[in-house]
Amino acid sequence: ILNVEQSPQSLHVQEGDSTNFTCSFPSSNFYALHWYRWETAKSPEALFVMTLNGDEKKKGRISATLNTKEGYSYLYIKGSQPEDSATYLCALIQGAQKLVFGQGTRLTINP
Amino acid sequence: GAGVSQSPSNKVTEKGKDVELRCDPISGHTALYWYRQSLGQGLEFLIYFQGNSAPDKSGLPSDRFSAERTGGSVSTLTIQRTQQEDSAVYLCASSPGLAGGIRGFFGPGTRLTVL
Repeated sequence: ILNVEQSPQSLHVQEGDSTNFTCSFPSSNFYALHWYRWETAKSPEALFVMTLNGDEKKKGRISATLNTKEGYSYLYIKGSQPEDSATYLCALIQGAQKLVFGQGTRLTINP
Repeated sequence: GAGVSQSPSNKVTEKGKDVELRCDPISGHTALYWYRQSLGQGLEFLIYFQGNSAPDKSGLPSDRFSAERTGGSVSTLTIQRTQQEDSAVYLCASSPGLAGGIRGFFGPGTRLTVL
């Protein structure tokens, strides 16, 4: 059974500060990793799809890195804004087909 | 439609009643997932359909939960004899599968409240 761990479970950050959180996974048989952003009352929305060790992806103030050898991915948010408040989910592809999600990191930006 | 749709958007039911939740995936997507999020909890996997393969039911919390996917398209999640702990947002996602990059597209969810 594939186990995807996210930490911390929740995070409160002051507006303007930068932050990051982690997704950990078994390094064997890696296929791809996804990051999703889930705002309250909305559907989770895909942010990044990462496949190669050393991948770095960026979308505005949000970026992500991937280390498949040690089994982790970091999501960074630079200069947090209130609209960044959401739950951030990572998901691993198991058996090259099935998405397996972590529990998510609930981010709250305090104005 | 352009995205994954779910119905109803909200469902309030009494303890002990049966409920059916519907998911219409994106046309052509071979994979379909059901998840739920209970209050204060993370995303919990329930069941996964991939093409014509036998579904992965490993996440269903009890035998009161069942799901089917007809014709490789629409899926229905049925909860029998609902309990208060079944209250959650039930999310459906579909994915184009290996050839399409596996990225999951989520529906808006069904908020189930069991009184």
